[in-house]
Parts: sequence; C-alpha cells; structure tokens
Amino acid sequence: TQLLEQSPQFLSIQEGENLTVYCNSSSVFSSLQWYRQEPGEGPVLLVTVVTGGEVKKLKRLTFQFGDARKDSSLHITAAQPGDTGLYLCAGVPTDSWGKLQFGAGTQVVVTP
Amino acid sequence: GAGVSQSPSNKVTEKGKDVELRCDPISGHTALYWYRQSLGQGLEFLIYFQGNSAPDKSGLPSDRFSAERTGGSVSTLTIQRTQQEDSAVYLCASRGSPHTTGELFFGEGSRLTVL
Repeated sequence: TQLLEQSPQFLSIQEGENLTVYCNSSSVFSSLQWYRQEPGEGPVLLVTVVTGGEVKKLKRLTFQFGDARKDSSLHITAAQPGDTGLYLCAGVPTDSWGKLQFGAGTQVVVTP
Repeated sequence: GAGVSQSPSNKVTEKGKDVELRCDPISGHTALYWYRQSLGQGLEFLIYFQGNSAPDKSGLPSDRFSAERTGGSVSTLTIQRTQQEDSAVYLCASRGSPHTTGELFFGEGSRLTVL
C-alpha cells in the first residue's frame, strides 16, 4: 500500500488541453514536493510546498497543498508536448523525519 | 562531475550472484537516498543516510540487501544472491540542505537485470 496515492495513473491529452494530477494520503506531511521524470533519467524537482493551503505557480503549472497538509494537486494549463513525463509527488510524514517517500506517479502524454 | 554519479549504468547478472552498485553524490551533500524503480512505476524507498549513519533502513526489502556509506561521501548498495524480482533501476539521490524540504538531486540510475 502506497503512503501517497496518485491519480490518475495515466493521462493522455492533446496539446492545448488542461490537466490535473492528484496526490492524496491519510498522513500529514511537513512538506510535499513534485518531481518530473523523463525516460532514462532521474526525477527533477519542480516545486516544494510547505504551508497548508499554499498555492505556487510555475509558468503554466499550478501546485496546491491541502489545508490539512495531506494532499496536493498539480494543474497544467494549455499542455505542450514538452510536458510529457512521469509526474511524482513526494513527502516526509511528520512522524518520519528524513524518509522522503514517493507516490507511484502519473504518466502524462501530450500529443501534438 | 557536478552531478550525482552512479555506476554501473547497466548490470546484467545471473540469479544467485552478488552485485554492488555505487553512488557518488554531489560534493558536500550530507544526505543520500537509495530508491528502486520498476518499469514505469514510482520510486520505492530503500535507505537514507545522513552523513555516514543510516537513521532509517526500513525500506530494504530483505536481509540480502545492505548499504554503506564511508567518509560521508560514496555509498555502495549490495545485493546478495540476486533474484529475478530484484531487476529494476536503482536510483541514488543526494541533498545538500539539512532540511527535508531541500531538493533531491538524482543520478541517472543503475539498471539491474537478473537472468
């Protein structure tokens, strides 16, 4: 059983459409991070959210941390083929210092 | 190099053999993580080092897996008597910040195939 549940597992959309990826847990996290991974490479950090209710924007990407610090979402506006990749959320539970755990990931494919 | 370096990049071995995977973190980074990733899946936490000590070894799948870190730098993940289910990409990451909100920098991974 994953501590962090991501949904959907797979998302295929056309260029220009919007998409949202969710990351949920029953545990409380001191912070959550989102990474993107491309084939043959390690994940690369997109953002870190630390405050409940926090919203961060990174160009066309919007990240939200839930008020209770148990969930997060990633919204991409006007998706482009370059957004294709495996999106992973990761967090350290408040009762488990240092043990950064990842969700199973959402594979996003954006076709031209 | 400036990034996290892992070797070998690919390893094919026979069932029952031992393998060693090496991780060279970014210089000065005190935290080092090992993860395992099966094809198209998320990252499974294996072990975490802060300096040379491993506060959390709970992710190691069995006693065939062990890891060490010497001099607060290079780490080695050893898998004894490999099994086919050990086939995966083993990723190493390091973090320079003492805070868990700091960015993890990943290597490109070591792909292990057990025949």
